[in-house]
Amino acid sequence: AQSVAQPEDQVNVAEGNPLTVKCTYSVSGNPYLFWYVQYPNRGLQFLLKYITGDNLVKGSYGFEAEFNKSQTSFHLKKPSALVSDSALYFCAVRDPTGGGNKLTFGTGTQLKVEL
Amino acid sequence: DTGVSQDPRHKITKRGQNVTFRCDPISEHNRLYWYRQTLGQGPEFLTYFQNEAQLEKSRLLSDRFSAERPKGSFSTLEIQRTEQGDSAMYLCASSLVSTGVLGSNQPQHFGDGTRLSIL
Repeated sequence: AQSVAQPEDQVNVAEGNPLTVKCTYSVSGNPYLFWYVQYPNRGLQFLLKYITGDNLVKGSYGFEAEFNKSQTSFHLKKPSALVSDSALYFCAVRDPTGGGNKLTFGTGTQLKVEL
Repeated sequence: DTGVSQDPRHKITKRGQNVTFRCDPISEHNRLYWYRQTLGQGPEFLTYFQNEAQLEKSRLLSDRFSAERPKGSFSTLEIQRTEQGDSAMYLCASSLVSTGVLGSNQPQHFGDGTRLSIL
């Protein structure tokens, strides 16, 4: 079975500082990994994905994520946080070999960027 | 470019009533997914369609739940005899899956959801 862990319920950073939101995963095959962001009372917006290739993937709004196979991690990063980045972030995994087509999500990390 | 549309945005009903939600995917997308999200949790997969065919259902989808996508375009999710535990946000997503090596790697695009509250 596939699973995702987001160990931090909340991350606080000051505007202009770098941010990292952590994600680790468990799948039986090679993972497809995704990051989504959710604003209050809204659906999820796609940020970026890792399928294959370069371990560092770049996405929307200046976000990037680094895939680390040995640590089974896919941490989300941004060099300089903005107050408008404050939202709920979800990591998701799809196992193309045994997990069907569903995405399995973590429990989410609330990012708070303060002035 | 219109995104995934869900209707209604909010639904309040009494326990035991039936409810139906509608999802209109992005027009060229052939896959449509339903998820349920409860407070403090990530979305949980319920079911998905490839065109009009329902190809996978989660164990979360009890007999009281039924989903359809009759013409391969919009989809409906019906819950019969609602229970308190059905209170959640119901999210619809769609994606375009084409043939080829990278055919199934496209991201799912989500609607804003229908929030169901059971009194």
